[in-house]
Amino acid sequence: SQKIEQNSEALNIQEGKTATLTCNYTNYSPAYLQWYRQDPGRGPVFLLLIRENEKEKRKERLKVTFDTTLKQSLFHITASQPADSATYLCALGLSGGYNKLIFGAGTRLAVHP
Amino acid sequence: EAGVTQFPSHSVIEKGQTVTLRCDPISGHDNLYWYRRVMGKEIKFLLHFVKESKQDESGMPNNRFLAERTGGTYSTLKVQPAELEDSGVYFCASSQVGSSYNEQFFGPGTRLTVL
Repeated sequence: SQKIEQNSEALNIQEGKTATLTCNYTNYSPAYLQWYRQDPGRGPVFLLLIRENEKEKRKERLKVTFDTTLKQSLFHITASQPADSATYLCALGLSGGYNKLIFGAGTRLAVHP
Repeated sequence: EAGVTQFPSHSVIEKGQTVTLRCDPISGHDNLYWYRRVMGKEIKFLLHFVKESKQDESGMPNNRFLAERTGGTYSTLKVQPAELEDSGVYFCASSQVGSSYNEQFFGPGTRLTVL
């Protein structure tokens, strides 16, 4: 069956450390993968997109990797801050264009001072 | 520039009643999406409009759900009659045709509770 798995347990880290979140998928062939941030009571906010032919993308303190052989994406936040505390969602796009996104359930990150 | 707005923010109705949710996308965004998150589950796609046309409605759960986007601007999602399992948070998102990324801008959601 098709599924997307993210760490269901909350990730607790100390301020200044690197947070690493995992997204694994099964029986999908995504054209691209996106990461979103969601705060309580708010809608998801787009962070980064990585295409199937890309290995790594960076944006400021954020880094995403994409391994289509392992069917896995890793999302890193370096020099984490308490303000980074939120739920992070990965979402697959199955084809190019403007089609639907398929979301994982998300991982809650808590960064402690 | 205003983001995606949704109305109402919360709705509590009795089983069997009708509810209409509204979404105003970002101005100029031709793509409009509806998603839903039921308790403890992931966000799931419902349907996708391009302007006023339904591009993909494969995620609509059943014929109690009706989405419209007259004139290609705002959209409404009507649930009639509502059932208990329809409770959840309904998100609307929009994106711009012509962008190389399918970055979707989400609204804050409407929390629907069916009693």
